[in-house]
Amino acid sequence: KQEVTQIPAALSVPEGENLVLNCSFTDSAIYNLQWFRQDPGKGLTSLLLIQSSQREQTSGRLNASLDKSSGRSTLYIAASQPGDSATYLCAATSSNTGKLIFGQGTTLQVKP
Amino acid sequence: DAGVTQSPTHLIKTRGQQVTLRCSPKSGHDTVSWYQQALGQGPQFIFQYYEEEERQRGNFPDRFSGHQFPNYSSELNVNALLLGDSALYLCATRTGTIVGYTFGSGTRLTVV
Repeated sequence: KQEVTQIPAALSVPEGENLVLNCSFTDSAIYNLQWFRQDPGKGLTSLLLIQSSQREQTSGRLNASLDKSSGRSTLYIAASQPGDSATYLCAATSSNTGKLIFGQGTTLQVKP
Repeated sequence: DAGVTQSPTHLIKTRGQQVTLRCSPKSGHDTVSWYQQALGQGPQFIFQYYEEEERQRGNFPDRFSGHQFPNYSSELNVNALLLGDSALYLCATRTGTIVGYTFGSGTRLTVV
């Protein structure tokens, strides 16, 4: 049974810092790993998706990596801004049409 | 291009009542999944519909049921509401040719 864990649960940093959010999963037979952003009371916005054959994906200041052998994914945010404040969720899929298994999220606060 | 549309945005119901939530998928998407997100938690998979049939189901009681229509839109029905059903209900859609899900903004259900 796939389980996804995110550490830390909350993070507060000053503006401009580079930071790393961690996501671990128990089943290495992963199909893809998706990172989402969620603003308070809102839906999920997809940030990056890494397929099982890939090692990383980049979009602007965001970079996500995937290491299936260690059961880990990281989301790197460069030069953080107050607008990056949100909850970041990672989700694993174990098959092509499979359900998403979510971590509990990391709530990020970037202080001006 | 409209994304995933959910209605209503907010809803207040009394214990024991029944509720119906609606989801219109993004154009071109034919698979609809529903998730329940309790406050401070990651979303939990309820079920997935494809070709008007329930294809996968999470660990939710039979009080939770759904339907998919020929135009790919979907409904989530919850009977005999409990206080614990209070949550944000998210709809996620995709198509078989595209990896990754698109989420709607959710319906906030409060049971009193």
